[in-house]
Amino acid sequence: LAKTTQPISMDSYEGQEVNITCSHNNIATNDYITWYQQFPSQGPRFIIQGYKTKVTNEVASLFIPADRKSSTLSLPRVSLSDTAVYYCLVGLYSSASKIIFGSGTRLSIRP
Amino acid sequence: NAGVTQTPKFRILKIGQSMTLQCTQDMNHNYMYWYRQDPGMGLKLIYYSVGAGITDKGEVPNGYNVSRSTTEDFPLRLELAAPSQTSVYFCASSELAGGAYEQYFGPGTRLTVT
Repeated sequence: LAKTTQPISMDSYEGQEVNITCSHNNIATNDYITWYQQFPSQGPRFIIQGYKTKVTNEVASLFIPADRKSSTLSLPRVSLSDTAVYYCLVGLYSSASKIIFGSGTRLSIRP
Repeated sequence: NAGVTQTPKFRILKIGQSMTLQCTQDMNHNYMYWYRQDPGMGLKLIYYSVGAGITDKGEVPNGYNVSRSTTEDFPLRLELAAPSQTSVYFCASSELAGGAYEQYFGPGTRLTVT
């Protein structure tokens, strides 16, 4: 199973760009990299997913280097509402049981 | 389109009692999941289902049972509740299996066993 390692917590200020890096040294060829966001007292919410290089959507960007052993979630111009826990998942394409949520990164945004 | 709904939102159980956590999705997803989340921790997979009539164990299945008689419903049964089962329980569904497919989560059930 591909285990992930993320920083436990990060702090930033409104308007800044925040980059959260996830390490996944044992990623398998078929694994996708997915990031979820979780607000207090809510279930996680899908943010972005990628396999290699760079993916961008209206919320975030995901950078994946060629060796795929790490990935970086980039949140542009964060606001107070981006305060949440962010989970990096590395999952086998076809196996429902192989998805592991780590402890996540607790991001705190200050005014 | 309500997505994934869970009932109840909160529940307090005494040790040894039993209960069923309900989960329903209206997206016609084949795959459904039950997770538990202890305070300050990530989610751990309890059971999952790949379709009606088919279920399988996740990482922490002991003390729980599931059934899947319809595509929409995936109830989680706790038998003989123990304090170690105090947690927040999330149900999720996805169109297909695996990390490549987005999981849609319900709002959670906060369970306390005393």
